[in-house]
Amino acid sequence: QVQLQESGPGLVKPSQTLSLTCTVSGGSISSGSYYWSWIRQPAGKGLEWIGRIYTSGSTNYNPSLKSRVTISVDTSKNQFSLKLSSVTAADTAVYYCARRAYYYDSSGYIPYFDYWGQGTLVTVSS
Amino acid sequence: SSELTQDPAVSVALGQTVRITCQGDSLRSYYASWYQQKPGQAPVLVIYGKNNRPSGIPDRFSGSSSGNTASLTITGAQAEDEADYYCNSRDSSGNPEGVFGGGTKLTVL
Repeated sequence: QVQLQESGPGLVKPSQTLSLTCTVSGGSISSGSYYWSWIRQPAGKGLEWIGRIYTSGSTNYNPSLKSRVTISVDTSKNQFSLKLSSVTAADTAVYYCARRAYYYDSSGYIPYFDYWGQGTLVTVSS
Repeated sequence: SSELTQDPAVSVALGQTVRITCQGDSLRSYYASWYQQKPGQAPVLVIYGKNNRPSGIPDRFSGSSSGNTASLTITGAQAEDEADYYCNSRDSSGNPEGVFGGGTKLTVL
């Protein structure tokens, strides 16, 4: 059973950089054709996809956050990480890491998020 | 703002059937995946693709799609199904993982 666990500071000052790590257990981050994603959720609001990384190091980011986001992977530690720069109070949220799987059928490409971490609250405040 | 539209709240009597919908132009071309989120917990995948359930998801959960609308149906809703439900699908924004709907709060009466 694959498990994901987020870790990192729960409090970040405005204008600084938010840094989180997701540790994957129960399977190798390098095996299979998966993307590893970060998703966030402000209190009482919906889900927002931040970005993803493939084990090759290839990344994609949400266009609305692209200028501030960096996602990296450390396959030797079975981890991937998020950095979000120049944070403001609007970046306060629960941050989730998730595995994005997919398959193909007659309709084409079918993606879905099959495993999620428990989430970690990051508050941006001075 | 989300390009996938969900009703903010839906209620259902215990044991009855409820349909939660997700509307968006992209749904004419792509399937939605559905996630259940209970308070203080991470989302859990309940439906993906045409109508696939991950292991451990009860068969009272099913998915369907017609035109620009994807639906999650719970047949015989249980008290433990009370949760927020989110759809996700590809969209036209250039976001490779698409967008999530705004979520539907399901209350089981």
